[in-house]
Amino acid sequence: SYGLTQPPSVSEAPGETARITCGGNNIGRKSVHWYQQKPGQAPVLVISYDRDRPSGIPERFSGSNSGDTATLTISRVEAGDEADYYCQVWDTSSNPVVFGGGTKLTVL
Amino acid sequence: QVQLQQSGPGLVKPSQTLSLSCAISGDSLSSDGVAWNWIRQSPSRGLEWLGRTYYKSKWVTDYAFSVKSRLLITPDTSKNQFSLQLMSVTPDDTAVYYCTRGWEALLFWGRGSLVTVSS
Repeated sequence: SYGLTQPPSVSEAPGETARITCGGNNIGRKSVHWYQQKPGQAPVLVISYDRDRPSGIPERFSGSNSGDTATLTISRVEAGDEADYYCQVWDTSSNPVVFGGGTKLTVL
Repeated sequence: QVQLQQSGPGLVKPSQTLSLSCAISGDSLSSDGVAWNWIRQSPSRGLEWLGRTYYKSKWVTDYAFSVKSRLLITPDTSKNQFSLQLMSVTPDDTAVYYCTRGWEALLFWGRGSLVTVSS
C-alpha cells in the first residue's frame, strides 16, 4: 500500500514561516490534501488538490507538490496555528484514502 | 452548509458489534459522485480510512483491507443517513470514529464519536 511520511514535529517562532513536508513515492503525480487538527476536534481541510484553499482558510496557508515531496507552508505563524497537521492522498492501488502519520506544529 | 451528526454507543464489549450512524443535513446521501466515508483515529493507528458508500447509478461500497471481513457500511435514503457496523470488535478497535463527506478531499466531518471496546 502507498505510504506517506511526515516529520513528527516542527517548531517555529511566531511570525516565522513553518514548512511541513509529506513524503511519498512520486507524490508529485498525486493530489495532496492537508488537514489541521486541534485537540478534541475533528480535522479541518486547509489545503486541497496541492494548493487550493477552502473558503475561510487564511491566505497564510499554502501548498506545493513536486517529485517525492509535498509541502504545507504556513506564513507568519500564529499561536492559533499550533495543531497536528496531516497530509492525505487518494490512491488507486490500495485503500483510496491514505493519511500521513501527522506532524505536531509547536509555536514557540 | 453540510452538517454530519453522529450517534451511537460509546462503549462496546469485546466480540460484539460496534454500530454508529451519521445523519446528513444540507446535502443528499444520493448526490451523484459524492462519497460518504467512515474514518477512525487512535494513538496506535493514526487516521485510518475504513470505508465509503456512494451512489453512481447504483449503490457502491468500498472497504479498507484491514477491516473488510468485519465491516458493513449501509446507506439509508429514507433517513438521509449512513451507518457503520464493525463486528467482532477487540480493544484494538477503540478509537474516535468520524463520518466524512468527500471523494478525494474530505471537506465535511462529523464531530467524532469516541468508542471504547472494553468488558
